[in-house]
Amino acid sequence: GAVVSQHPSWVICKSGTSVKIECRSLDFQATTMFWYRQFPKQSLMLMATSNEGSKATYEQGVEKDKFLINHASLTLSTLTVTSAHPEDSSFYICSAGGGRAANEQYFGPGTRLTVT
Amino acid sequence: DAKTTQPPSMDCAEGRAANLPCNHSTISGNEYVYWYRQIHSQGPQYIIHGLKNNETNEMASLIITEDRKSSTLILPHATLRDTAVYYCIVRVSQGAQKLVFGQGTRLTINP
Repeated sequence: GAVVSQHPSWVICKSGTSVKIECRSLDFQATTMFWYRQFPKQSLMLMATSNEGSKATYEQGVEKDKFLINHASLTLSTLTVTSAHPEDSSFYICSAGGGRAANEQYFGPGTRLTVT
Repeated sequence: DAKTTQPPSMDCAEGRAANLPCNHSTISGNEYVYWYRQIHSQGPQYIIHGLKNNETNEMASLIITEDRKSSTLILPHATLRDTAVYYCIVRVSQGAQKLVFGQGTRLTINP
């Protein structure tokens, strides 16, 4: 299967600061990337869908000015959590599809964000 | 996408077959049944998918009823490493589609 990486795997930041999470498709070109958030003991919730070269589409209830998504290339999408607060602490997971993975999605390993 | 219903938890003895059910009674004719699993603190992992025929790969088998309203994922010889949350999702296969995750089934393999 195709490989998707995330960086960093975990991060701790202070309240009010911004954090950037990277999602990379390592061996295929991902025309579409998805960002999910998962709170403890809960399921994955889709935050937004990003297509290379265009603006992301956010799910209802997700603040686009707080969670900035950039999909500038076919192998990289970034999620920036701006002015992070403790309630933003969560497990953030990206997935990628497109190219030779046209009908599938491959998930990254996730990024654990803790805001103190 | 159609909704799915899964039992919240199941237990299985190591070495035995684990059979995980999923109901998807409102599935449309062009929707596939996909199974993913998530081991603790990792991203979801694709397992298998099917439309109407039974499918088998190196990880599992998928049995879909003739009316397509339910399916069963079978792990033939469960190991401790199969302990995870298993998600059954129905979706149109074509194109990179967003996935709607339900609560899944927490499968615990006991030694």
